[in-house]
Amino acid sequence: SQTIHQWPATLVQPVGSPLSLECTVEGTSNPNLYWYRQAAGRGLQLLFYSVGIGQISSEVPQNLSASRPQDRQFILSSKKLLLSDSGFYLCASRLAGGRGNIQYFGAGTRLSVL
Amino acid sequence: KQEVTQIPAALSVPEGENLVLNCSFTDSAIYNLQWFRQDPGKGLTSLLLIQSSQREQTSGRLNASLDKSSGRSTLYIAASQPGDSATYLCAAPNTNAGNNRKLIWGLGTSLAVNP
Repeated sequence: SQTIHQWPATLVQPVGSPLSLECTVEGTSNPNLYWYRQAAGRGLQLLFYSVGIGQISSEVPQNLSASRPQDRQFILSSKKLLLSDSGFYLCASRLAGGRGNIQYFGAGTRLSVL
Repeated sequence: KQEVTQIPAALSVPEGENLVLNCSFTDSAIYNLQWFRQDPGKGLTSLLLIQSSQREQTSGRLNASLDKSSGRSTLYIAASQPGDSATYLCAAPNTNAGNNRKLIWGLGTSLAVNP
């Protein structure tokens, strides 16, 4: 199975500051990678997904961006954080191809923008 | 467009009860459905994945069923324990052509098993 590493676990940032969250994957190669946000009392919102190095699909227009500089590295960034960017951010990985592949999740980063 | 609904939103039961969590989806052209568990403040853990060709999948005290014709899946938990307390989410693949890499998520059922 795959292991997803996310850091930091918790982050408190002022409004207007930059953001960089990193996710790395072990145990697979060429996975599909995903960034989700989970706001309090709401469901999982898909932010970005990537099917390969440098290939990013954005699901929701917003203040965030994503990059995939290496096969098993996925980065979520912002140049200037907004209050509304607060939430629980989850990175996920899934084997590319097959229709029966499970999605594996990291432990998440709790972001508070103050 | 695929939509996923989970009922109930919250459930509280005494320890030892058997219970059923429900998941409904609008587009039956799915090739699988997944159930996940999320503990407070943690990431998600995959519990069961049912292929469209299967009607059931079992793992320990958990049994998930899939009925594509009625657009429903259920997660059955036998002999519930306090350690089962968590939020349970189901997810179905997006059925839009060419974009089945995404999952469509329910809002989850928050389960509390009381000792």
